[in-house]
Amino acid sequence: SSELTQDPAVSVALGQTVRITCQGDSLRSYYASWYQQKPGQAPVLVIYGKNNRPSGIPDRFSGSSSGNTASLTITGAQAEDEADYYCNSRDSSGNHLNVVFGGGTKLTVL
Amino acid sequence: EVQLVESGGGLVQPGGSLRLSCAASGFTFSSYEMNWVRQAPGKGLEWVSYISSSGSTIYYADSVKGRFTISRDNAKNSLYLQMNSLRAEDTAVYYCARALLWFGEFAFDIWGQGTMVTVSS
Repeated sequence: SSELTQDPAVSVALGQTVRITCQGDSLRSYYASWYQQKPGQAPVLVIYGKNNRPSGIPDRFSGSSSGNTASLTITGAQAEDEADYYCNSRDSSGNHLNVVFGGGTKLTVL
Repeated sequence: EVQLVESGGGLVQPGGSLRLSCAASGFTFSSYEMNWVRQAPGKGLEWVSYISSSGSTIYYADSVKGRFTISRDNAKNSLYLQMNSLRAEDTAVYYCARALLWFGEFAFDIWGQGTMVTVSS
């Protein structure tokens, strides 16, 4: 099955822009979705598809994709954005459904 | 309010069994595909299983195939995960998650709060 690779940790100064990336072969066929998870809480979907935000997600969150790399960009990071971020997509290998997650990126807002 | 509430977690010995439940409310449960996703302590997310809205199509991750069984009761707005032959590596928080599907794409748009399963002697 395919894998998705994320940087383990990224930091950003308050109010600045940060990009979190996700790489994998499946991203050549499928879009990545992105989830925010704060300590002790369930994940929350923040971006899906080409660049769609669920209701209630601030517009400072955006997504993009090129080749085998998907990116989550936070423009003007806030203190409350400090969290773990996971990407996921369908797995493009095999005939049955398989869903893969990246290992997660811990975002620190300085 | 759209909500998923898991229950049934606990401590079980290796080789034992456990049945998780997920109660859905605030949406038409029978219209949505559902999933179980787990997270081992301090680790990342791992998809476990998928079931279609009618229950006719089911998929499992290789790590649980043959040991876990997903099912649903649309009349009771409930999702289940029967876990048999449990191993230490199955220790995790288990989340019930609603699937968002469009043009072959796949995401999880609603998550429960999770239920902890600990496999230990």
